[in-house]
Parts: sequence; C-alpha cells; structure tokens
Amino acid sequence: DTEVTQTPKHLVMGMTNKKSLKCEQHMGHRAMYWYKQKAKKPPELMFVYSYEKLSINESVPSRFSPECPNSSLLNLHLHALQPEDSALYLCASSQDREGAGGTEQYFGPGTRLTVT
Amino acid sequence: RKEVEQDPGPFNVPEGATVAFNCTYSNSASQSFFWYRQDCRKEPKLLMSVYSSGNEDGRFTAQLNRASQYISLLIRDSKLSDSATYLCVVNTAPGAGSYQLTFGKGTKLSVIP
Repeated sequence: DTEVTQTPKHLVMGMTNKKSLKCEQHMGHRAMYWYKQKAKKPPELMFVYSYEKLSINESVPSRFSPECPNSSLLNLHLHALQPEDSALYLCASSQDREGAGGTEQYFGPGTRLTVT
Repeated sequence: RKEVEQDPGPFNVPEGATVAFNCTYSNSASQSFFWYRQDCRKEPKLLMSVYSSGNEDGRFTAQLNRASQYISLLIRDSKLSDSATYLCVVNTAPGAGSYQLTFGKGTKLSVIP
C-alpha cells in the first residue's frame, strides 16, 4: 500500500483566514514532505520532516507553518496568505534510510488552494 | 547549468510508437534517480527508479549513464494511457540529507490514436 491521503481536496480562503492542510500516511515512512506546485511547473520543495523533526525549510515565508504531530501525520498551517500562494500543495513521504542516497517519494493527491 | 534538464516537449506520437525521453543532471555526486509521471491536475506518481545497471518494467526501460550524467526513459508500443507529463527526478544533495529531490521541468507526451 503506497497511499498518502490529503485533506481537503480543494480550499478557497481569503487573505485574512487561517486554515490547515492535512496529510496522512500509514506506510511506516519516517520522512514527510510538503511541496508547492504551480501550473505547468514541477513541484518545489517547501519542508522536510525526518523522524518528526523539521530537517529542511526551503526559505518558506512564515505565513506557512508546518507541524508533524506524529510519524503518520503532517499538517501545514496557513495564515495571511497572498493570491500568489494559490497552487497545488502536495504532501509526500518516503522511508528514511540514513546513509542512502535518497529513496522513492510517494505523493498524496494534493490540495488545490485558491487565495482570494 | 540547470540541475536537472529534460528534453523540451511536447512529444506527439501515434499509438504503438516507441518514444525516448532524455535527462541530464549537473551534480556528479547524485545517487538516486527516478522517473515520475504526472497526469493533468493530478499528483506525480513514481514510474520507475533508475539503477546503474538499467532496469525494465514491461514496456518501460530506464537507463543511467553516470559518466555522462544522463538518464533515459524508453517507452515501447505507446498506449493512449501513456499520455502524461514525465518528470526526471534526481537526488542532488546526498550527504546534506537524503531527501532533496530536484525535479526536471517535465516532458509532455501525447499519444495520438
């Protein structure tokens, strides 16, 4: 089973709203990721969690706040977003094999976010 | 030089054709290589990992040439369902964390009846 689930599928929010995106995996993966994807562009890495600790933040604005409550869950809290933040937000997970060159990442279906 | 560079698309091919995608990467220390496919408005799905010895999965064959820093994907007997964008993905930061995958911009394939 290589399923990563994300909720909601679609989200429309105003610039003053606070909302959260949720991601869940039950594959026992210990690394989880948030990506942002604009139309006709490849995914761009935002955050990486490894063993529930934030290991990479790709200089993402503070209006995006990640959280990893446990090894199966990953949240992305959104506050005071801008219209240019409208995009597909993808969650992914992978096994964490220290010393390996990286492992396959499995993506969830994404949340399509529109900021008005 | 871009970190991961792919053939510009789109590729429009008839059903049954063989099509090849190429990709080059700039970091010679990269260790992991993948092909993903992405359908319109969907998430990327792992198609194949690419190994030094080359690997085949049905109609799909992936090859890696470390000396040339080059990766390829061959699709034989194209089906309509193969229409998608194919993303070349490379781990470009081994040692600094095994997790930083860099995506090529993708090549769009349309298989025509």
